[in-house]
Amino acid sequence: TQLLEQSPQFLSIQEGENLTVYCNSSSVFSSLQWYRQEPGEGPVLLVTVVTGGEVKKLKRLTFQFGDARKDSSLHITAAQPGDTGLYLCAGALRYNFNKFYFGSGTKLNVKP
Amino acid sequence: EAGVVQSPRYKIIEKKQPVAFWCNPISGHNTLYWYLQNLGQGPELLIRYENEEAVDDSQLPKDRFSAERLKGVDSTLKIQPAELGDSAVYLCASRTRTVYTEAFFGQGTRLTVV
Repeated sequence: TQLLEQSPQFLSIQEGENLTVYCNSSSVFSSLQWYRQEPGEGPVLLVTVVTGGEVKKLKRLTFQFGDARKDSSLHITAAQPGDTGLYLCAGALRYNFNKFYFGSGTKLNVKP
Repeated sequence: EAGVVQSPRYKIIEKKQPVAFWCNPISGHNTLYWYLQNLGQGPELLIRYENEEAVDDSQLPKDRFSAERLKGVDSTLKIQPAELGDSAVYLCASRTRTVYTEAFFGQGTRLTVV
């Protein structure tokens, strides 16, 4: 079993729709990161959240860290084809912040 | 500032042949990671270095995989002999050794074993 469970695994939507990706765990994390990865490239960092309940916005992307620091969500408003990619959450445990655990990823396809 | 540099980008080899991947992390980053990523899935940790010391290699298949980080900067990951199931993307990442800092990834090496 993975430490971080991401859902859904796949998401295919039309341009303009909203979507939410979830990242859940039973463990407490000192921080959580969200990455976006395009085919043939390495993951690129979108955001880091460190405080329970924290909400960060990056244009049309809203990231939330759960109050208990065990889960996080990524919400995209009015998705565009350029948002297509693999979205990964990753976290560092509270007592071992040098070790990152990755979720299994959410493959998003936004159709024009 | 240069990012994490990996080479080669692509490698095709026959099974049972050896292969090596190279990674140059961001300058000043003490922690270096090697990950394996299968298509459409999240990266899986192979080994983590703190400076030149391998502090977490529990997921590294030591019968055929080896890694080194001499002088605590560049790192090399080797597979010998390669198997068909080793076909994947091998990612290198680095970060500073402080809380809350994120890891930065290279573009990866796509290995195909035929």
